Amino acid sequence: ETGVTQSPTHLIKTRGQQVTLRCSSQSGHNTVSWYQQALGQGPQFIFQYYREEENGRGNFPPRFSGLQFPNYSSELNVNALELDDSALYLCASSLVGIPNYGYTFGSGTRLTVV
Amino acid sequence: AQKITQTQPGMFVQEKEAVTLDCTYDTSDPSYGLFWYKQPSSGEMIFLIYQGSYDQQNATEGRYSLNFQKARKSANLVISASQLGDSAMYFCAMREHNSGGSNYKLTFGKGTLLTVNP
Repeated sequence: ETGVTQSPTHLIKTRGQQVTLRCSSQSGHNTVSWYQQALGQGPQFIFQYYREEENGRGNFPPRFSGLQFPNYSSELNVNALELDDSALYLCASSLVGIPNYGYTFGSGTRLTVV
Repeated sequence: AQKITQTQPGMFVQEKEAVTLDCTYDTSDPSYGLFWYKQPSSGEMIFLIYQGSYDQQNATEGRYSLNFQKARKSANLVISASQLGDSAMYFCAMREHNSGGSNYKLTFGKGTLLTVNP
């Protein structure tokens, strides 16, 4: 089985620009979540998608948005980038409905905003 | 609101010895799950072990065991026979089950950097 793959691995953007990060879920998984991990911190939940709809959101402004596609791949879009958006962005997939089922994480996209 | 506390920013252990990484949590939900993840410098979060709030026995996975003390709200990770490859960041995380059963977000602690010395 394939794991979770994210692209690109590294990205440098200018403040005010927009960015799209991509994630391919593990085969058989039906939910995808995105996390932001600032340097020296634990990951923070951004949002989760299930059946192509957002079904949970953390404390992030609306300029953070996402999509989930029928093949369970996903995108994270960030508009009007700010310097504080510089972080590692992790995608995780899982199976909703199985309480003890874990999350499979990708290796992340490291975003630098200058 | 959920909270995870990892009080050890860094830990050192000699190769082949055991080490305990501390984690305490706070939640009002009677049903929850506790996870430990390893994050090497490559960035990927690697699942190590899971403990459900209703599980009667402590979880074990190979060299990893979870010392679950529900009354004290602690879920410490024990790594036996440490190896050089165990050097990494370790995160404790909690998943809460909402009433709808569909939001399984993870709340992470700040992590512990483990260094295994030869």
